[in-house]
Amino acid sequence: EAAVTQSPRNKVAVTGGKVTLSCNQTNNHNNMYWYRQDTGHGLRLIHYSYGAGSTEKGDIPDGYKASRPSQENFSLILELATPSQTSVYFCASGLGDTQYFGPGTRLLVL
Amino acid sequence: AQSVTQPDARVTVSEGASLQLRCKYSYSGTPYLFWYVQYPRQGLQLLLKYYSGDPVVQGVNGFEAEFSKSNSSFHLRKASVHWSDSAVYFCVLSPLTSGGNYKPTFGKGTSLVVHP
Repeated sequence: EAAVTQSPRNKVAVTGGKVTLSCNQTNNHNNMYWYRQDTGHGLRLIHYSYGAGSTEKGDIPDGYKASRPSQENFSLILELATPSQTSVYFCASGLGDTQYFGPGTRLLVL
Repeated sequence: AQSVTQPDARVTVSEGASLQLRCKYSYSGTPYLFWYVQYPRQGLQLLLKYYSGDPVVQGVNGFEAEFSKSNSSFHLRKASVHWSDSAVYFCVLSPLTSGGNYKPTFGKGTSLVVHP
């Protein structure tokens, strides 16, 4: 059973639209992370959370919001999507230092 | 500030050859270092990690890494690669923060291509 799942797996959005990417984990891990992966940049940390109700800004938070309503769920929200946010987004959960990654979401903003 | 540098964007080797993927880090405190692998169209998986002690750590699938404090490095090695090792490899620095949690920083990754 996959412990970290992401939905949707693929998304096409229009510029200026709102996009919500969802992540669910069954590991019961306190920590959750959102990254984007772009060629030449590796993975860059957008937002992270150390528990339900908490969110922290990562290295590139501009244009993104995050929500952690429960231990299991962590959402990434693009209120006004832009073409520069076209990317592959990964969610991860972690207990301590090791992270467990979801399969990724491919987002295309037209 | 913390940073990770993987100087080689792409490495090509023949099957059966030995491998070294380079990683340099910058961090003033105790580094917690990791190597993750990403197979095509998949998420990332942990290969190995280092906290302290023996500077050579063993991972899955015959991979090992050697930590060097003097060189600020954490290079990944494998004695004999297989075509299935073709993937992108990420070096990660994830030190313990003052708040008692971990904030990871990824290198840009090295794409390994193994020719049969």
